[in-house]
Amino acid sequence: ETGVTQTPRHLVMGMTNKKSLKCEQHLGHNAMYWYKQSAKKPLELMFVYNFKEQTENNSVPSRFSPECPNSSHLFLHLHTLQPEDSALYLCASSQGDGNYEQYFGPGTRLTVT
Amino acid sequence: QQQVKQSPQSLIVQKGGISIINCAYENTAFDYFPWYQQFPGKGPALLIAIRPDVSEKKEGRFTISFNKSAKQFSLHIMDSQPGDSATYFCAGRGNAGTASKLTFGTGTRLQVTL
Repeated sequence: ETGVTQTPRHLVMGMTNKKSLKCEQHLGHNAMYWYKQSAKKPLELMFVYNFKEQTENNSVPSRFSPECPNSSHLFLHLHTLQPEDSALYLCASSQGDGNYEQYFGPGTRLTVT
Repeated sequence: QQQVKQSPQSLIVQKGGISIINCAYENTAFDYFPWYQQFPGKGPALLIAIRPDVSEKKEGRFTISFNKSAKQFSLHIMDSQPGDSATYFCAGRGNAGTASKLTFGTGTRLQVTL
C-alpha cells in the first residue's frame, strides 16, 4: 500500500499552467515508470527510467517532461496541456527494467480545463 | 502485434457466482500473462500470472486458463464476493525488444451483487 506514493492525488490545471507530479518508491527498486490511464483504454506506458537513466520514451508529447533525480523519486513536469490529457497518471516501480513485477502507486487524477 | 483484447467491458455477477473475463493476444513473443486488480482510488496490483508452459494456474478462488494455440487466456473467479468488485486488467509481456514491456487490455469492471 505505501510502497509507491504519488502526490498530489488530484490536480486541476488550466492549459497555460505548469505543474508537477511526484512519485516516490520505498521498495529499493531501480526502475520507475509513468503510465497514463484513460477510461476504456489500455494503460499507456509513457516513460521508463532504470538507475536514473531514461530507457524508454513512448512517443510522448514534449508538454510532458519527466525527471528522475535518483532511483527513489520520479517527477512528471506538465506544461501547456490539452483537455485530452485529462487522465489518471500512474507511477510504478520494479526491481529492474525487464521481467520484474511492477508495483503501482495510487495515481494522480489530472483534469485539464 | 502489440494488442491485447479484453472482454467484456463490464460484468455483473451475483454473490457466489463465477466471474469470467477473457483476453486474446496477438504478439507470439509474449511469454508472461499477468492479471491485475484495481480498486477505486488505488493503482493496479498483481493478482495472478501464468506462463505459456502450463494451461492452468489456480490461486485460491482465482484461476487463469491459458490456450496457447488460440492465443487466448481467461480469468475465472469462483464463489465471487462483493469484495471482488473492482476493475481487472489482463496483460502480456515478452522477453526482449518492444515486447518486453507490459501490454494491457482495456479492463473489465466487475460488480458482484448481494
